[in-house]
This record gives sequence, structure tokens and C-alpha cells, in this order.
Amino acid sequence: NAGVTQTPKFQVLKTGQSMTLQCAQDMNHEYMSWYRQDPGMGLRLIHYSVGAGITDQGEVPNGYNVSRSTTEDFPLRLLSAAPSQTSVYFCASSSAQERTQYFGPGTRLLVL
Amino acid sequence: AQTVTQSQPEMSVQEAETVTLSCTYDTSESDYYLFWYKQPPSRQMILVIRQEAYKQQNATENRFSVNFQKAAKSFSLKISDSQLGDAAMYFCAYTLRGHNFNKFYFGSGTKLNVKP
Repeated sequence: NAGVTQTPKFQVLKTGQSMTLQCAQDMNHEYMSWYRQDPGMGLRLIHYSVGAGITDQGEVPNGYNVSRSTTEDFPLRLLSAAPSQTSVYFCASSSAQERTQYFGPGTRLLVL
Repeated sequence: AQTVTQSQPEMSVQEAETVTLSCTYDTSESDYYLFWYKQPPSRQMILVIRQEAYKQQNATENRFSVNFQKAAKSFSLKISDSQLGDAAMYFCAYTLRGHNFNKFYFGSGTKLNVKP
């Protein structure tokens, strides 16, 4: 049981490049979320999903897209990377019943 | 507004001693879940303890216990017999029960140092 997995662990991008951060969970959780963590700012919600085919915006959605075609996968797309998107990104999942969020190991992104 | 306040940005404790991390939150709802997460230098977010607001009994997990005061909207974490491996950032959080999506409200964190 792998829990929540994220790839890559670390990525360097140039301004204007696009990329996709991968997230997968094997716990059959309905809910999945993407957060970014910046120094001194805690965790901020980017996008979330309550099930396959259903996504919605969180607090800081600009510059990011998501989709959820399966229960297991919830990729985060950076459309045109900017230095302000340098951060650590966490994916999390939870069940509608238990409500505890389980986090992936994080992806550290550096945009030059 | 739904907020979580951790008033201690940084704390230190001697190995084998006990330390208490503070957390207060603000919600007008009555049914919710409270959590403490630990984030060591590896950055992995690890669940420490979970409390359901309708339960009066305080949750415990080995050396970790909480003091949940619902009327005061307070949810402190006590770590007994502190170990070097307890050194980490600790985040307090809550989520509302009964909503379609369990949005989490996080505090800004408390950095715990453990001195040998």
C-alpha cells in the first residue's frame, strides 16, 4: 500500500515552461487536493477534487490547472511557469467518511 | 472567518522532558475534526493525532496527547518524554464535518527544537 505518491521529487524550470506534477493514491479516496507551501505561509490550497470528473479552485488557483479522470490520479499542470511559483507542492487525499488527509512526500519546484 | 492560530512560532524542549504546543481556532460550526501534523526536515507531512469535536475524551497516541477545550476553541498538543526525532514543524488543522469537501484550515506552524 503506497498511499499517496508524487513525482518528480525535485524539478527546475525556466520561466515560461510548462510541466505537470503527478499525484496518485491507492486508497480509493474520494477527495484529493493540491497545496503549495511557502516559507512562513503554511499550506495554501490550489485546487481540489471531490471525485472523478469534478474539480474546483482553492485559495491560489491562478497559473495552475487540474483534471481528474480517474479516482487514483490528480495531476497539477503549470501552464507557464513563473518565479513566484517556486515552492514545495503537496498532494493529499482523504475519504469522505474519515476526513483525515494523507499527504504525498512533496515536489520541490524551482523556477528560474 | 475560519482561522487557526499557533501563537508559538518556535519552542525548545530538553530531551525526555514534556512540552505543550498551543493552538486556537475559530469556527461557528459545531461539528468538525481537529488534527496535529508533524513535518520533519524531510518535508513529509505526518499525521500525529486526530480528534473528533463531538467526543469529549481527549485523544492520545503513545507519547502524544491533546487537551481539547471546545468552548474555548483550544486544541493543544502535549509531547511527553521528548525525543530527538520529535524535532519538526508542527501544524494544527481542522476540517468541518458534513460538507461536500473537507477543506482543511491550517495554522502557520510551530517549530519544535529538541535539545540533547
